[in-house]
Amino acid sequence: NAGVTQTPKFQVLKTGQSMTLQCAQDMNHNSMYWYRQDPGMGLRLIYYSASEGTTDKGEVPNGYNVSRLNKREFSLRLESAAPSQTSVYFCASREALGSYEQYFGPGTRLTVT
Amino acid sequence: GQSLEQPSEVTAVEGAIVQINCTYQTSGFYGLSWYQQHDGGAPTFLSYNGLDGLEETGRFSSFLSRSDSYGYLLLQELQMKDSASYFCAVRDVVGYNQGGKLIFGQGTELSVKP
Repeated sequence: NAGVTQTPKFQVLKTGQSMTLQCAQDMNHNSMYWYRQDPGMGLRLIYYSASEGTTDKGEVPNGYNVSRLNKREFSLRLESAAPSQTSVYFCASREALGSYEQYFGPGTRLTVT
Repeated sequence: GQSLEQPSEVTAVEGAIVQINCTYQTSGFYGLSWYQQHDGGAPTFLSYNGLDGLEETGRFSSFLSRSDSYGYLLLQELQMKDSASYFCAVRDVVGYNQGGKLIFGQGTELSVKP
């Protein structure tokens, strides 16, 4: 099992450009999450999908959109990137009922100039 | 609002014991988790406390007191490889039946010295 995979690993964008961060999990998990982590900060939830077909806003959703493409894949889109979105983005998944553990991907390091 | 407080950094020597505290103030509570992160890599799950008391997993233990809104992670027999960031996280009750979500603290950077 690969666990949670994310692409790309690194990305540099200019202000105003758009891009989509991809995330996939092969553990048949129901719930998936997108977080951002800034230097010296904890993980802040951007959006989550409790199950296939549903998505909800987290703590910092402004400037982002998500798509739960199927049970395996959950993508994060930046429509018009801003320097404030420079961050490390982590995708995570969880089995849901009866499970406490979230499994994280390796992260995407995004710089917006 | 929701907030979790933990020390920003802790330093200890190899072989010692260190305790990382976490206090929380959240609108709902459904358990306290701890995660470890090395050098900005993927966070990994360490432990979970849903009820008051101590949970032990090898060299790591985690404690919860719901009445005090407080928990801690205890690391024993410290090793150099334990140098990492440690995050406490509270499960928000709202939406649990649909998977729930975690609110993370800002993290404690642990440095283990020889």
